[in-house]
Amino acid sequence: EIVLTQSPATLSLSPGESATLSCRASQSVGSYLAWYQQRPGQAPRLLINDASNRATGIPARFSGSGSGTDFTLTISSLEPEDFAVYYCQQRYNWPFSFGQGTKVEIK
Amino acid sequence: EVQLVESGGGLVQPGGSLRISCTASGFTFSNYPMHWVRQAPGKGLEPVSAISTNGGDTYYADSVRGRFTISRDNSKNTLYLQMGSLRAEDMAVYYCARRPSSGFPDYWGQGTLVTVSS
Repeated sequence: EIVLTQSPATLSLSPGESATLSCRASQSVGSYLAWYQQRPGQAPRLLINDASNRATGIPARFSGSGSGTDFTLTISSLEPEDFAVYYCQQRYNWPFSFGQGTKVEIK
Repeated sequence: EVQLVESGGGLVQPGGSLRISCTASGFTFSNYPMHWVRQAPGKGLEPVSAISTNGGDTYYADSVRGRFTISRDNSKNTLYLQMGSLRAEDMAVYYCARRPSSGFPDYWGQGTLVTVSS
């Protein structure tokens, strides 16, 4: 099973600042990596497909990069609604594992 | 509008069984592989099971293989998860999600809570 490790566990930032989240895979997953946002009490929301493609309706302040084993989600200027938990997921092989999550909290 | 609505969650005793369902609307259900993902209280996301468009291929996490069965009825636009020999560690919100064949789960239901307790 591919293990995804996210860092940091928690990111404390102010609105307007930029956020950089990391996801590292235990083996190469090519570009088969996604990022999700989950707000309290809600289902996950797909942000980024295949490492760098924004999903439908996702604002341009969200961007993804990376390939192989190292991936990054960048939020260029945090809006109040962006404070949430973010997960990465791979679909290189089953099980389509998730990282443990990064919580972006208001400083 | 794409909608996925889970149902059937509830309280079940350890060792018991439960079937949860996911009813889809707003898209051609039979064209999409479907997934179950769970989230224990205060924890992260865990893939549980997946099924191909015609139900011919199924996938399970090691933690549920042999105890859970995924199935679908394309005529009813419904996905199922039959859960047996339930354990305390199976307690979670169970989400269904559709996945484009060459992509990631892009629409998720709101989840159904399964509580395993005596």
